[in-house]
Amino acid sequence: AQSVTQLGSHVSVSEGALVLLRCNYSSSVPPYLFWYVQYPNQGLQLLLKYTSAATLVKGINGFEAEFKKSETSFHLTKPSAHMSDAAEYFCAVRGNFGNEKLTFGTGTRLTIIP
Amino acid sequence: KAGVTQTPRYLIKTRGQQVTLSCSPISGHRSVSWYQQTPGQGLQFLFEYFSETQRNKGNFPGRFSGRQFSNSRSEMNVSTLELGDSALYLCASSLGIAGGPGEQFFGPGTRLTVL
Repeated sequence: AQSVTQLGSHVSVSEGALVLLRCNYSSSVPPYLFWYVQYPNQGLQLLLKYTSAATLVKGINGFEAEFKKSETSFHLTKPSAHMSDAAEYFCAVRGNFGNEKLTFGTGTRLTIIP
Repeated sequence: KAGVTQTPRYLIKTRGQQVTLSCSPISGHRSVSWYQQTPGQGLQFLFEYFSETQRNKGNFPGRFSGRQFSNSRSEMNVSTLELGDSALYLCASSLGIAGGPGEQFFGPGTRLTVL
């Protein structure tokens, strides 16, 4: 079964600094990978998805993620953090066999320091 | 296109009662998944429905059940509520087509508090 591991349950960065949120997946074949963001008292919003079309995926709000098969990673980055980026971020994986369910990581809470 | 809607947004129940939550997916989406989110356990998958049939199921007791109607709207029911059922219940919809990435779009959730 596919799984994802998010390293760091809490990450703090200064406003304007690089944001790097880590996600490693476990799968025997390249799966579908996703990053979601959740703001307080809201549902999850899709930031970006990897579908094997390109290893560097650009998403909304200036975020991007790079799929690295050799490292089984799909880290999320943003060059310059904004205060509005403060939220919880979830990495998720779905196998590409049939109709497998989506499996989420434990989440990383991002705090932006003014 | 309207997004995923969930009703009600907030619920307060007492132990032993039962509750029904409703989810209307994005128009054209045939798959609806339900998740429970708590601070201690994170996001946990409950079940997925596609074309009125349960397609996937998580590891929850039988007190948690769901169904999907012909218009793809879904309901989930929790019977004999326990304090530990207090959580944010999220519904997500997707096209449900096999072979695709199957990205899910989430509703705002229903916050259930069990007293």
